[in-house]
This record gives sequence, structure tokens and C-alpha cells, in this order.
Amino acid sequence: QVKVVESGGGVVQPGASLRLSCVGSGFIFSNYGMHWVRQAPGKGLEWVAFTRFDDSNKNYAASVEGRFTISRDNSKNMLFLQMNSLRLEDTGVYYCGRGNEFDFWGQGTLVIVSS
Amino acid sequence: QLALTQSPSASASLGASVRLTCTLSSGHNNYAIAWHQQQPEKGPRYLMKVNSDGSHTKGDGIPDRFSGSSSGADRYLIISSLQSEDEADYYCQTWGTGIQIFGGGTKLTV
Repeated sequence: QVKVVESGGGVVQPGASLRLSCVGSGFIFSNYGMHWVRQAPGKGLEWVAFTRFDDSNKNYAASVEGRFTISRDNSKNMLFLQMNSLRLEDTGVYYCGRGNEFDFWGQGTLVIVSS
Repeated sequence: QLALTQSPSASASLGASVRLTCTLSSGHNNYAIAWHQQQPEKGPRYLMKVNSDGSHTKGDGIPDRFSGSSSGADRYLIISSLQSEDEADYYCQTWGTGIQIFGGGTKLTV
């Protein structure tokens, strides 16, 4: 069955870096554009970044542009989010999702930025 | 600019029906949307895609009690025979080229 599993979260100080990973299974990973979405504690869902199926085009939310980098390795069915210069407001659960409709969600990975 | 608007809260009684609304911004009446459910302390769960013509496609295992429809810029999620486990946050979502837009969510109290 289709599954996405996120990992790599943790507790870091402001200004630090973190790399999140997402592995997809049960579908042809290289056929899908992939997104990262996050949810701050007690808040709604916020789109973070997108990469095309072939990693040739990427888009970012204004709040992370220049600090976060999305990438993928289709040979390993993996999606990544390199997060640099982390801020307190980057705290939240990060989810990866496939395609336009986000039709399968993982359990997410928790990122806490705290001094 | 593409945007989605949802009422912050809704309530209905056990066994009743409820219709949640998601409104697309002006000029975007032809966009499809997706609905997601987030029960307390859980991750989101995909419910369905709703097209501008009102047709909808549900995700795996979504009960028949859940359906969708459309009217103009409004996209609806209809839940019938409400159960206690339907108490959750409901988010609508749409997409442009390489971006995702989420509504603010509606907290449904049963």
C-alpha cells in the first residue's frame, strides 16, 4: 500500500541546521511531484516546499525561501528538506506528501527550535 | 491570488448531518480542492477530492457518510449520521503550479 514515512526531526537551537527525510513506498515515486507541509503547535497546515517529479523545478513558501532546500533521490524513493538558519517559528510537525492532492499522509516528524 | 476561506468552527449533534464550506478566492471558481480530516492528537487524513462540477473521489476506506459537492466558488464536505469520532479539524486544500494552498481549517464539534 502507499506509504510515506518522515524522519530526521529533533530539538535544535535557533540558527542551527537540520535535514529531514521522507521515504515513499507502494507507488512509483519518480512519477510524482512531492511537497513538504508543516503544522506549528495548535495551528493549521502550512505549505513549505515543492519539487517536481524529476527535481528540475522547486518552489518555496516566502517564510522559508533562502533558508530551506528541498531535494530528492528517485533511485532511493527519498525526499529531503535541508533546513538552515532555523528560527523559533519553524517549530512544528513536518509532513511530506505526494502530488497535488496530498492523498497519503505520514505520521510527520517533529522539529523543535528552542533556546 | 489563490486562497481558501473556511469558517473557524461548526457544530452538530450525534446522528445529524453537517455541511462544511470552503470558498475559493475570486476568479478561481474552476479549481478542484481536497478535504482532509485531523482528529485530535493525530496526523491529517485525506478524505476526498471535489471538482468544480461537484463530482468527488474519495480516499481509501473513507465511509459513505462522507461526500462532497460544489456550487460556484464553494466546495462542500457533507458528513451524515455524525459519530463522535467525526469531531475533528477539517482542512480544505487546493493547488497551483508547484504550490499548495490550505484553508484555515474548521473545527467540528459533535
